[in-house]
Amino acid sequence: QKEVEQNSGPLSVPEGAIASLNCTYSDRVSQSFFWYRQYSGKSPELIMSIYSNGDKEDGRFTAQLNKASQYVSLLIRDSQPSDSATYLCAVIGSNYQLIWGAGTKLIIKP
Amino acid sequence: DAGVTQSPTHLIKTRGQQVTLRCSPKSGHDTVSWYQQALGQGPQFIFQYYEEEERQRGNFPDRFSGHQFPNYSSELNVNALLLGDSALYLCASSLGTGQGVSEAFFGQGTRLTVV
Repeated sequence: QKEVEQNSGPLSVPEGAIASLNCTYSDRVSQSFFWYRQYSGKSPELIMSIYSNGDKEDGRFTAQLNKASQYVSLLIRDSQPSDSATYLCAVIGSNYQLIWGAGTKLIIKP
Repeated sequence: DAGVTQSPTHLIKTRGQQVTLRCSPKSGHDTVSWYQQALGQGPQFIFQYYEEEERQRGNFPDRFSGHQFPNYSSELNVNALLLGDSALYLCASSLGTGQGVSEAFFGQGTRLTVV
């Protein structure tokens, strides 16, 4: 059973619209949550971290965490073609190990 | 401030051979984790080194081994290479382990192709 689930996509969003990426996790003890962006053939790049319930905003990115429902999401406002990438959700679980989702491929259409 | 550096960036090996990949963590970080990422998949955890010891290990065979040096740099060794070992190998550095683990920062990866 996978511990971190993401829709593999691809998720296609028009340029300028809001892209919404979702992730669910199974370990209720998890306390740390991360979103990474990965361009094809490149290594993952940390874009957001969130540790407490609610919203956290950084520029065009907003991470949302709901521990009761065990989901974390990433919103990208004013989507740009350069946002086209695979977005990986990662969670530090009860064994203090980063557990990864398989990633959602996001395509921003000009 | 140097980030995480990995070498080599690309490597082609023959089935049955052995390979060593290298990683230098971000300045100030003391923990190195290794991941294997197959095409279209998320990174799969191989193992983590902290204080020169393997602290955690994922579901990988003993053909995969590693080492951490006193300067926190690390090596990943894979013996008896199989075609299925072809992947992007990622090194991630972080500060601390256990409850104090911080977010991870990745090197550019080593693309290993086994033929």
